[in-house]
Amino acid sequence: EPEVTQTPSHQVTQMGQEVILRCVPISNHLYFYWYRQILGQKVEFLVSFYNNEISEKSEIFDDQFSVERPDGSNFTLKIRSTKLEDSAMYFCASSDYHRGYSYEQYFGPGTRLTVT
Amino acid sequence: AQTVTQSQPEMSVQEAETVTLSCTYDTSESDYYLFWYKQPPSRQMILVIRQEAYKQQNATENRFSVNFQKAAKSFSLKISDSQLGDAAMYFCAYRSAETSGSRLTFGEGTQLTVNP
Repeated sequence: EPEVTQTPSHQVTQMGQEVILRCVPISNHLYFYWYRQILGQKVEFLVSFYNNEISEKSEIFDDQFSVERPDGSNFTLKIRSTKLEDSAMYFCASSDYHRGYSYEQYFGPGTRLTVT
Repeated sequence: AQTVTQSQPEMSVQEAETVTLSCTYDTSESDYYLFWYKQPPSRQMILVIRQEAYKQQNATENRFSVNFQKAAKSFSLKISDSQLGDAAMYFCAYRSAETSGSRLTFGEGTQLTVNP
């Protein structure tokens, strides 16, 4: 069964450093998403991406964040200058799109980001 | 903005028994989807069940079923014949159907313990 994959599974970085989190969505999906979950809290939406541009972003997704689909398979989230409060689990998700509707979002296993 | 509330931070059930997890939501939209996601200790987000708001019939997936009360904006999950593998955090989530690719809005989660 096709699945969303994410790399790395765990990333440790120092405050102020740039990090890039990578995702490979399910191959025929057209919508891509990033969510984050701070330990012990609920999952929060960051950004959605469709047709090579951001379709929606939350107030969390400020100028420190960017997303990119550099080729036909990868979808990346870049945090330009990490802060301690960026420590969280980051989930990538993707969904299909057919006849004007998008369907369930399927999640990857997550990347645990630790900022020290 | 839509909100999702799960008022039970923790629930427990005996193996083979039935348990119901509660979820309420607030929206002014008439067309939307509701989901239950399961998050085991691995923190992977796994889709359990989906309900379309326009459907009156409650969704069922094997031992999992929902009680969808649109007027009351209530969406509970019933797990029958509970198994040890059902132990996880369960998140209720809302997604608008009025915009393609719209975000998921999650509740705070309910931690389910299954006792042998």
